[in-house]
Amino acid sequence: EAGVAQSPRYKIIEKRQSVAFWCNPISGHATLYWYQQILGQGPKLLIQFQNNGVVDDSQLPKDRFSAERLKGVDSTLKIQPAKLEDSAVYLCASSLDTGEREQYFGPGTRLTVT
Amino acid sequence: SQKIEQNSEALNIQEGKTATLTCNYTNYSPAYLQWYRQDPGRGPVFLLLIRENEKEKRKERLKVTFDTTLKQSLFHITASQPADSATYLCALEVAGWGKLQFGAGTQVVVTP
Repeated sequence: EAGVAQSPRYKIIEKRQSVAFWCNPISGHATLYWYQQILGQGPKLLIQFQNNGVVDDSQLPKDRFSAERLKGVDSTLKIQPAKLEDSAVYLCASSLDTGEREQYFGPGTRLTVT
Repeated sequence: SQKIEQNSEALNIQEGKTATLTCNYTNYSPAYLQWYRQDPGRGPVFLLLIRENEKEKRKERLKVTFDTTLKQSLFHITASQPADSATYLCALEVAGWGKLQFGAGTQVVVTP
């Protein structure tokens, strides 16, 4: 089966610019996650969707980050305006459902903010 | 929130030996924890899940233990191979809807 797809793979922007990332989860997976992974750290959950509803966005910096999952399939994560500290890899993952499930990760988007 | 500690120093090990990684946590015991492997430039890949009522879980050359008294999980790679070189992440369940908190990971380097 096809894995989790993400694009772009790399993005370089200047601070205060905006950027958007796209994710296509594994077909049939109801739950979708966006993580931020700063170099040398583990992934940190930003937002979790169940179908097209938000389950958890407690660690999403809502003043600059937004995410949506229209129609319960693809998802986009946006940063506006970007700050230097947003430089990280943004990982999308999906799982069959919520709860005790293994998560399947995409390759990530490496964002550099200059 | 949960504090998760994994060895920050890389583990260098000779091929054929057993690599043992630790994952310690400080607060409440999770209902389960998971281990993932991450290669450079790629997303994590799920390896094993172990529940709080399970002492040990095995999958091929991998073994995971879970001690809720010590608040610790151990991850073993037996008969290690150079292809096992990667960063290994432990992830604890921190909410009933499948929310995971990841440790920073431990890099394993297996030399021939």
